[in-house]
Amino acid sequence: DARVTQTPRHKVTEMGQEVTMRCQPILGHNTVFWYRQTMMQGLELLAYFRNRAPLDDSGMPKDRFSAEMPDATLATLKIQPSEPRDSAVYFCASAPPRQQHGQPQHFGDGTRLSIL
Amino acid sequence: GQNIDQPTEMTATEGAIVQINCTYQTSGFNGLFWYQQHAGEAPTFLSYNVLDGLEEKGRFSSFLSRSKGYSYLLLKELQMKDSASYLCANQAGTALIFGKGTTLSVSS
Repeated sequence: DARVTQTPRHKVTEMGQEVTMRCQPILGHNTVFWYRQTMMQGLELLAYFRNRAPLDDSGMPKDRFSAEMPDATLATLKIQPSEPRDSAVYFCASAPPRQQHGQPQHFGDGTRLSIL
Repeated sequence: GQNIDQPTEMTATEGAIVQINCTYQTSGFNGLFWYQQHAGEAPTFLSYNVLDGLEEKGRFSSFLSRSKGYSYLLLKELQMKDSASYLCANQAGTALIFGKGTTLSVSS
C-alpha cells in the first residue's frame, strides 16, 4: 500500500534551533504539498511543488522557512531559527501527474513539532 | 479571498444520521472535497463533488450546490469509529484550501 512517509514523527527542540522535516512522496507522484495544522488555524497550505519546481510558497513565512525538493523522492521543509509559535503538526501530501480534478491528495502521518 | 465555514463541533449517537454543513466563498472553484481525520492521524479522503447534486458512497454521502456555495456531508448508521474531525476543502487550482474542521463525537 503506497504511502507518503514523513520523518521525524515527533520533534522537540529549543527555540533558535534549526528544524528539518522530510517527506518521501508516493512513487510516481510529482506534486508535493506542505501543510501546517494548529488548533487555532486548522490546516494551512504552506507551499507546493510540481516536478520539483516550487509553484506557490505564499503561505510560508519567508524569513525563517524554506522548502526544497532535492530530488523526486525527497521534499524538505526547514525552519531556521525556530520559534515557539512554529509548534504545530506539519503534513506533507502528494498527488499524481496530470492530477485531474477530483483526484485526492494523499497525506503523510505528519511531524509533530514542539518548540520550547 | 478564501473563506470556508463549518461548525466546530457536533455530537450524535450510534445508529443515527448526522449532516455536517460547509459553506465556502472562494476566488476559484474546481471541486469540493471532504476528508476525515482521526485524532493524531493524517487526513484521509472521503468524497469529491464538482457538479451539483448528491454523491453516495456507502454510509457516507456528499452534496454540493455551487450557486449557494454550500456542501454537506451526510453520515448514516453512525458508528463509534466515525468519531473524528471532518474537513471540508475547496480545490482552487491545484491546491486545497481547508476549513478548520468539524469534530464529531459519537456516543453509545
